[in-house]
Amino acid sequence: QVQLVESGGGVVQPGRSLRLSCAASGFTFSSYGMHWVRQAPGKGLKWVAVIWSDGNNQYLADSVKGRFTISRDNSKNTLYLQMNRLRAEDTAVYYCARAIIVGATVYEFDHWGQGALVTVSS
Amino acid sequence: SYEVTQPLSISVALGQTATITCGGNNIGSKNVHWYQLTPGQAPVLVIYRDSNRPSGIPERFSGSNSGITATLTISRAQAGDEADYYCQVWDSSTGVFGGGTKLTVL
Repeated sequence: QVQLVESGGGVVQPGRSLRLSCAASGFTFSSYGMHWVRQAPGKGLKWVAVIWSDGNNQYLADSVKGRFTISRDNSKNTLYLQMNRLRAEDTAVYYCARAIIVGATVYEFDHWGQGALVTVSS
Repeated sequence: SYEVTQPLSISVALGQTATITCGGNNIGSKNVHWYQLTPGQAPVLVIYRDSNRPSGIPERFSGSNSGITATLTISRAQAGDEADYYCQVWDSSTGVFGGGTKLTVL
């Protein structure tokens, strides 16, 4: 069965960096796009980033553009989110999710991980 | 930027029908997906592309989308359906989620 397991969360000071990982299993990772989605405490879901299956195409939310980078290593079945210049408002549970993408069209997020908590605080 | 609007909360009596709306400008022209979030669990896709149910999702869950409103309908509501529900669309290379609706089953 499809499994997505996030890791790398923790407490970090404002302005510092953190890298999240998402280990995928149970499917052919290199055939699927992947998303990062976050949920701040007491708030709703917010989309963060998407990367296509071959890593050649990606989009990021305006709120993280220039600070966050999404990448993947298909040989390791792993998705990454490099988060730089972190702010208090980046505090959230970060989920990775499998993307259904056909050509240039992004459809549903059909499987999700359990999430990793990132707390940005001094 | 595109926005979708959901009611903050709704309640439904056990065994009755719950309807959660998702409003947006000409949302009927977009693919709408619905997710269920329960505390401590990974989010679950319950309806995709307006009205399709993934395998394992009960037939009690259905969806529709037309004009300016998409709708998630949960028939014969059960205690286990109590959760937060989010609609989602893709617009201009961006994922857009509604604010979420908390469903309470009385």
